[in-house]
Amino acid sequence: KNQVEQSPQSLIILEGKNCTLQCNYTVSPFSNLRWYKQDTGRGPVSLTIMTFSENTKSNGRYTATLDADTKQSSLHITASQLSDSASYICVVTRADGLTFGKGTHLIIQP
Amino acid sequence: EAQVTQNPRYLITVTGKKLTVTCSQNMNHEYMSWYRQDPGLGLRQIYYSMNVEVTDKGDVPEGYKVSRKEKRNFPLILESPSPNQTSLYFCASKYSRVSSHEQYFGPGTRLTVT
Repeated sequence: KNQVEQSPQSLIILEGKNCTLQCNYTVSPFSNLRWYKQDTGRGPVSLTIMTFSENTKSNGRYTATLDADTKQSSLHITASQLSDSASYICVVTRADGLTFGKGTHLIIQP
Repeated sequence: EAQVTQNPRYLITVTGKKLTVTCSQNMNHEYMSWYRQDPGLGLRQIYYSMNVEVTDKGDVPEGYKVSRKEKRNFPLILESPSPNQTSLYFCASKYSRVSSHEQYFGPGTRLTVT
């Protein structure tokens, strides 16, 4: 069954600290993997996209990694800011559609 | 500004009263879709459309209808809403169904059915 599992479900860290969010998937066949950021009350916005052959992709303070052998991805946030408070959703694209993770709810405290 | 718009943003209605949520995009995208987002379940696709007059069911189509008469518009229709359709709804569009094309989401419509 095609599944995307994210951990932790929620996370609270202090402003300025780093954090890493995890995504494990069993989707097949795999086309690409995206991380989205969803601010409260708004639609998701794409942060990164990685194909099978890419190991890492950065977007400012966000760095995503992909291990296609173990079917794991991570999103690392460096020097967190209050504006990073949001839900982060991992989405794996199959040949015939998308499989969404349930998201990690991140709260940055001052 | 390139965007996906949805209306209304908030809606409270009663069981059985037909409603339509509009979605419009100004990016000339071929592919559009509707999702619902529920706590603990994440985003689930309701319907999608690969082009004008071409629509297909997603993962949770029961109780919903869509139409794609024009490229820019993709309304979601609830003929007889029920309380289990209370949810946060997102419309999204992308250039085509090609997997590498980025999908742009609208701001969401929060629907409550009493």
